[in-house]
Amino acid sequence: AQSVTQLGSHVSVSEGALVLLRCNYSSSVPPYLFWYVQYPNQGLQLLLKYTTGATLVKGINGFEAEFKKSETSFHLTKPSAHMSDAAEYFCAVSDLTGNQFYFGTGTSLTVIP
Amino acid sequence: GAGVSQTPSNKVTEKGKYVELRCDPISGHTALYWYRQSLGQGPEFLIYFQGTGAADDSGLPNDRFFAVRPEGSVSTLKIQRTERGDSAVYLCASSPGRNVYNEQFFGPGTRLTVL
Repeated sequence: AQSVTQLGSHVSVSEGALVLLRCNYSSSVPPYLFWYVQYPNQGLQLLLKYTTGATLVKGINGFEAEFKKSETSFHLTKPSAHMSDAAEYFCAVSDLTGNQFYFGTGTSLTVIP
Repeated sequence: GAGVSQTPSNKVTEKGKYVELRCDPISGHTALYWYRQSLGQGPEFLIYFQGTGAADDSGLPNDRFFAVRPEGSVSTLKIQRTERGDSAVYLCASSPGRNVYNEQFFGPGTRLTVL
């Protein structure tokens, strides 16, 4: 069975500061990993994904994440927060079939001017 | 181009009533997913269609929930004898194919409130 844990349901950072959103997964086999962002009153939008290959993945809007198998982690980072980054962020894991996706409970990011 | 659309955007119903939620996927997408997102939670998988058939319905919580996709495009999620615990945002997503490399595109959701 797959599960995803996002540490910190709420994260606040100052504009221009580093953004770090944590995600750990449990899986019996190496999964596929995703980060989605949800802006108010909008659908989820894919930020980035890891399937195979390079473990450091770059996504849209300057975000990146690194797959660390030894730590079962896929933390999301951005060097400098922007006001427009304020949103809900979800980490997700899929098994190799891609039939089911398991989402974390989400982290709400607030950016302080 | 047009994204995934869901109707209605909001639905308020009374306990015990029947509701239908509609999802229009992106044209040409063969895979379609339904999720339920309760307040403060992440989306929870309900059912996955590949074409017209339900490839995986293991996430449906009980037999009051049913979904169809008769022509391999539009899908309807049907909930019988609604209960207050069914209140949530129901999300639909579509994908070009069954491969997990294919991105899922999400609709804005239908907010269901059962009084």
